[in-house]
Amino acid sequence: ETGVTQSPTHLIKTRGQQVTLRCSSQSGHNTVSWYQQALGQGPQFIFQYYREEENGRGNFPPRFSGLQFPNYSSELNVNALELDDSALYLCASSADRGRGYEQYFGPGTRLTVT
Amino acid sequence: AQSVAQPEDQVNVAEGNPLTVKCTYSVSGNPYLFWYVQYPNRGLQFLLKYITGDNLVKGSYGFEAEFNKSQTSFHLKKPSALVSDSALYFCAVRFLTGGGNKLTFGTGTQLKVEL
Repeated sequence: ETGVTQSPTHLIKTRGQQVTLRCSSQSGHNTVSWYQQALGQGPQFIFQYYREEENGRGNFPPRFSGLQFPNYSSELNVNALELDDSALYLCASSADRGRGYEQYFGPGTRLTVT
Repeated sequence: AQSVAQPEDQVNVAEGNPLTVKCTYSVSGNPYLFWYVQYPNRGLQFLLKYITGDNLVKGSYGFEAEFNKSQTSFHLKKPSALVSDSALYFCAVRFLTGGGNKLTFGTGTQLKVEL
């Protein structure tokens, strides 16, 4: 098991609502990345935070936003939820923006949008 | 564009036999390559990585991978499969984006090890 934790484990939301997912990074790691894994697919990169600033973004709309806190924990916020946002959301932490270092993943949050 | 391909959706192998899970990549420059494993309802677990150096990389749980630059491949191997190895395996390549970096994953290969 990695030291990366995520909450909640599961949640169900209605289309149009907003959701906040949380992630605590592994001790000593200052970089957090978020991924979306739709059913039957590989994880897709949403964005990365390094020292409280966004440090790279994938092909996701602005209604996907995030924060990183001074203790390097992070939040993923999704506004105006759509049915296609139903997925497993994975948080990964790494050291020094992950350059050459592996990313350690949390167990994920399963989001269902109805 | 940088990408990773896993040509097999599923690989079946008998316990005790060697296993190979295939991965090919397309990336400019020197690739950083990774293998992860995912068990049902779990996050991804890191197995091994290739950054530079020896083409044969050894990782967790007896897995290894061979980097082949000419064939742009990074196949995952294990000499003797266990039933407990049954899981979903992802190959990933790392490249920089806007000063940061991200992992681009393949579509995954379901490994089934049978008695």
